[in-house]
Amino acid sequence: DVKVTQSSRYLVKRTGEKVFLECVQDMDHENMFWYRQDPGLGLRLIYFSYDVKMKEKGDIPEGYSVSREKKERFSLILESASTNQTSMYLCASRGGEPEQYFGPGTRLTVT
Amino acid sequence: GQNIDQPTEMTATEGAIVQINCTYQTSGFNGLFWYQQHAGEAPTFLSYNVLDGLEEKGRFSSFLSRSKGYSYLLLKELQMKDSASYLCAVSKASGTYKYIFGTGTRLKVLA
Repeated sequence: DVKVTQSSRYLVKRTGEKVFLECVQDMDHENMFWYRQDPGLGLRLIYFSYDVKMKEKGDIPEGYSVSREKKERFSLILESASTNQTSMYLCASRGGEPEQYFGPGTRLTVT
Repeated sequence: GQNIDQPTEMTATEGAIVQINCTYQTSGFNGLFWYQQHAGEAPTFLSYNVLDGLEEKGRFSSFLSRSKGYSYLLLKELQMKDSASYLCAVSKASGTYKYIFGTGTRLKVLA
């Protein structure tokens, strides 16, 4: 079974803090994704990576950056957290099959 | 523009059959996915359609008509555990890793 894990289920940060969200997958997948999920808006793609050190912007990259130094790990970075970044963050990975496998999510609250 | 539409909420009775519709308008199409998401949990993959027709998998079936930009997910013999959100997503083109997700349909199964 594919396993995608995320470093925290719940996180509370203050405005202006630098925030790191970590995602690890154990299936040697090339492709990894970061989404945020908000009520009424669905899942929106922030960034994705198709190989180590390779990344591409998704639909809403503003205010975020990513890092992929190892194949199994994909990090999302909020350089200076703001209240409008309060959301559920979901990481996913994909190998040769068309479907994506999701982690359990991190509910981030920025106060 | 690019759009995926699905009903916001549906209610059905245990043991019944329910059909959740999804219509899409995208610049390119390379497959349609259905995911199930229980409250507070990660989305899990249900089905993938790339050609027209019906794909059956146990109690769940998914249908696609590419000419109409239309899909549905059919759930038979509903159980209480089927209460969840059902997400429709479209992959836009072969080789791209970007999917567009609908906002999801929240299904309540009543005893």
